[in-house]
Amino acid sequence: NAGVMQNPRHLVRRRGQEARLRCSPVKGHSHVYWYRQLPEEGLKFMVYLQKENIIDESGMPKERFSAEFPKEGPSILRIQQVVRGDSAAYFCASSPPGGKQETQYFGPGTRLLVL
Amino acid sequence: KQEVTQIPAALSVPEGENLVLNCSFTDSAIYNLQWFRQDPGKGLTSLLLIQSSQREQTSGRLNASLDKSSGRSTLYIAASQPGDSATYLCAVGTSGSRLTFGEGTQLTVNP
Repeated sequence: NAGVMQNPRHLVRRRGQEARLRCSPVKGHSHVYWYRQLPEEGLKFMVYLQKENIIDESGMPKERFSAEFPKEGPSILRIQQVVRGDSAAYFCASSPPGGKQETQYFGPGTRLLVL
Repeated sequence: KQEVTQIPAALSVPEGENLVLNCSFTDSAIYNLQWFRQDPGKGLTSLLLIQSSQREQTSGRLNASLDKSSGRSTLYIAASQPGDSATYLCAVGTSGSRLTFGEGTQLTVNP
C-alpha cells in the first residue's frame, strides 16, 4: 500500500504567483488534513476535509488560501499571490473513516520557497 | 485553546543511555495522543498512538505513557542508538480531529 503522497516535493515561486500543492491520501482514507511548518516552528493545523466537504478550516489564513478534496483526484491546497512569509513546509495527512480515534498518516511534505 | 509543550527542546546523550522525553498539554479533553519522529527535511513517522482511555503503549524500545488528568505524556527510549537521532514531536488529538503539536525535542545520540 502506498502511503500519503505529496507533490511537488519542492516548489519555488516568485512573489505574486500561485502555488498549488497536491496530496493523495492512503487508499481507502476519506479524511485529509493540511498542516504548515514555518521555519523553526512547530506544525500548525490548517484545514480538515472529507470528500467534497470542508469540515474545519479554522487554521487557514483568511485570505489567499483555499483547499479542496474533490470526489475524484487528490486534495489541493492553493495559495494565491504568494508572499515570502508563505515559505514553509506543508504537510498533508490522511486517516481512515474512523476519524477522531485513528492515527493520522503523514506525507513527506512540500517545501515551498517564495523568492 | 489547547497548548502543547515539550521539554527539553534539545537533548544530547551517549549511545546506550535510556532517556525520557516530556510532553504536557493544557486541556485534558483529548481523544488521543501521538508521538512522531521527524528526520531533517523529511516527513513525520508515527511512533505510538495512545487513545484517551489508555495509559501507555509500547513498541520495541519505545514506551509512551499518558496521564490525562495531569496533562502529561512521556516517551521513554531504552538503550538509545545513533539512529534514534531525530526530532520527536508530541501531538494531541482534540475536537474536530485536528492534531495540536508541540515544538519538538531534538535528540542527538552520540556514538
